[in-house]
Amino acid sequence: GAVVSQHPSRVICKSGTSVKIECRSLDFQATTMFWYRQFPKQSLMLMATSNEGSKATYEQGVEKDKFLINHASLTLSTLTVTSAHPEDSSFYICSAPPGASGARNEQFFGPGTRLTVL
Amino acid sequence: GDSVTQMEGPVTLSEEAFLTINCTYTATGYPSLFWYVQYPGEGLQLLLKATKADDKGSNKGFEATYRKETTSFHLEKGSVQVSDSAVYFCARSASGNQFYFGTGTSLTVIP
Repeated sequence: GAVVSQHPSRVICKSGTSVKIECRSLDFQATTMFWYRQFPKQSLMLMATSNEGSKATYEQGVEKDKFLINHASLTLSTLTVTSAHPEDSSFYICSAPPGASGARNEQFFGPGTRLTVL
Repeated sequence: GDSVTQMEGPVTLSEEAFLTINCTYTATGYPSLFWYVQYPGEGLQLLLKATKADDKGSNKGFEATYRKETTSFHLEKGSVQVSDSAVYFCARSASGNQFYFGTGTSLTVIP
């Protein structure tokens, strides 16, 4: 099946710094990718839809200047948490539909990135 | 509105016990339905899916049947193992390839 990778898997940073998380589709092209945030013992919250070659679409309540998304190629989307604060600490997961070769409405998820802001 | 309602946990079972995790959905159309599993510290893995009414998804001994009349997609396994301990998420597809997730059900299987 299709594989989605994320890098890094775990990152610890100081408050006020920016952190970039990469999401890659390894064996398929993804014109759309999704970024989720998961709080401890809670479900996934969709943050934004990343669109290749155009601006991301953010869900209500998600600060687009805080969470910068860039989908520069058909296999890479990046999420940059700018001026991170401890409340940004969370598990960030990306996903991508497999495209024309995949099943209807299916999603493949990355392994997630654990961000801890000190 | 459209949503997924999932049985709250945590659920603790003895090995070889029968498992049921309830999931119901609301939707204006006929979405695809999924169960995802998340092992500790990892991302989500697709466990099984069903794309139309009366379809049965199955994998690793787990089963779920798409019931349009009851708008349900309950997850079942006849005999759980310790290695099944994880968080299970019910999900449905939405427009634009987005997903709606349930809140997740934590399962712990004790020897």
